[in-house]
Amino acid sequence: GAGVSQSPSNKVTEKGKDVELRCDPISGHTALYWYRQSLGQGLEFLIYFQGNSAPDKSGLPSDRFSAERTGGSVSTLTIQRTQQEDSAVYLCASSLSGKVEQFFGPGTRLTVL
Amino acid sequence: GENVEQHPSTLSVQEGDSAVIKCTYSDSASNYFPWYKQELGKRPQLIIDIRSNVGEKKDQRIAVTLNKTAKHFSLHITETQPEDSAVYFCAATPTAGNMLTFGGGTRLMVKP
Repeated sequence: GAGVSQSPSNKVTEKGKDVELRCDPISGHTALYWYRQSLGQGLEFLIYFQGNSAPDKSGLPSDRFSAERTGGSVSTLTIQRTQQEDSAVYLCASSLSGKVEQFFGPGTRLTVL
Repeated sequence: GENVEQHPSTLSVQEGDSAVIKCTYSDSASNYFPWYKQELGKRPQLIIDIRSNVGEKKDQRIAVTLNKTAKHFSLHITETQPEDSAVYFCAATPTAGNMLTFGGGTRLMVKP
């Protein structure tokens, strides 16, 4: 079946602009995660949605970052007033409720000039 | 919160040799430890995982060991092949299905 999809695959923006990154999880997966991978680095947790529960936002690096998940499916990560240090690959993952494996999307490569 | 350290950051082996990657974690409550393989430009993919109630798990050429007392776990790849070349990430979480804390990654290069 279809895996996790993300769009756009690449985004180049100017410093100070806002960007929106989209994630479509695997159908039926109730858990959705956003991670950030800076060049040559590991994955850094950003935010986690589980069903209808309040999201765990403990990984968001600043108040310029926010995310929402509409209808328990698609999620959008928004970065306001982008900075050069926001440049990274943003990865989304989803998992079935009660299951451990997280399935990753292909990521969105964000470049802030 | 949890902190995961991974070593080495790069590892070069000859085809057919074994490769070992080690991780340590800080939160004694962590009980689920997955390993992901990420090929260049691709998404991370789960290759093996272990829960805290076992000390070792094996899947063909790949094995993972866990020492809860010492809070470290390792990935072992035997009979390495060029297609094993990738970046490998370890991770830990106190609750399976919850967010993962990742190590910094190991770039494995298998030379033919």
